[in-house]
Amino acid sequence: GENVEQHPSTLSVQEGDSAVIKCTYSDSASNYFPWYKQELGKRPQLIIDIRSNVGEKKDQRIAVTLNKTAKHFSLHITETQPEDSAVYFCAASMGNSGYALNFGKGTSLLVTP
Amino acid sequence: DSGVTQTPKHLITATGQRVTLRCSPRSGDLSVYWYQQSLDQGLQFLIQYYNGEERAKGNILERFSAQQFPDLHSELNLSSLELGDSALYFCASSGGGGTSAGELFFGEGSRLTVL
Repeated sequence: GENVEQHPSTLSVQEGDSAVIKCTYSDSASNYFPWYKQELGKRPQLIIDIRSNVGEKKDQRIAVTLNKTAKHFSLHITETQPEDSAVYFCAASMGNSGYALNFGKGTSLLVTP
Repeated sequence: DSGVTQTPKHLITATGQRVTLRCSPRSGDLSVYWYQQSLDQGLQFLIQYYNGEERAKGNILERFSAQQFPDLHSELNLSSLELGDSALYFCASSGGGGTSAGELFFGEGSRLTVL
């Protein structure tokens, strides 16, 4: 099936630094790219998303960029805080009539004070 | 609270057994998705239903089946269970008319342990 690759699998930063997580996808028909945050023992929750007609989107300290030609998209978190520590998943919509999401394997982000 | 309800929250059973996981979507959502989350495997898409009909299929084993009922709740049936089926099973729902991809709202998950 179509894949979403996510890197790195773990990321440790100091409080106040920036964190960048990168994903690539293979399905040319994908047109929706959300990012989910999953805290330990909790359900995944959407933090930001971008559609294929937009190259960049920002919401306070988080931003997402999309390069459709290269099939790359990235999550940028600035001024990281300890409460940003969680597992982050990127996803790409499936190019069929269902619009389900294919998720990457996740990045475990640790922000140390 | 996402509005998506999953039961049971925890389930422990033995190999070879069969279990049923239940999901009630957010009010008004027509699409229900099932995902499996194992250690180091992220969120694996299993299957999607839209208004009672199967809409998309992922890496769902033949031992697994699902359905969506007229009241839009969904059930995931797992049979001939193996140790490797131990995982957290998430149900998610989404709104809209099924014409474009959008936010998935996840339930709290059902943790299945097969001994």
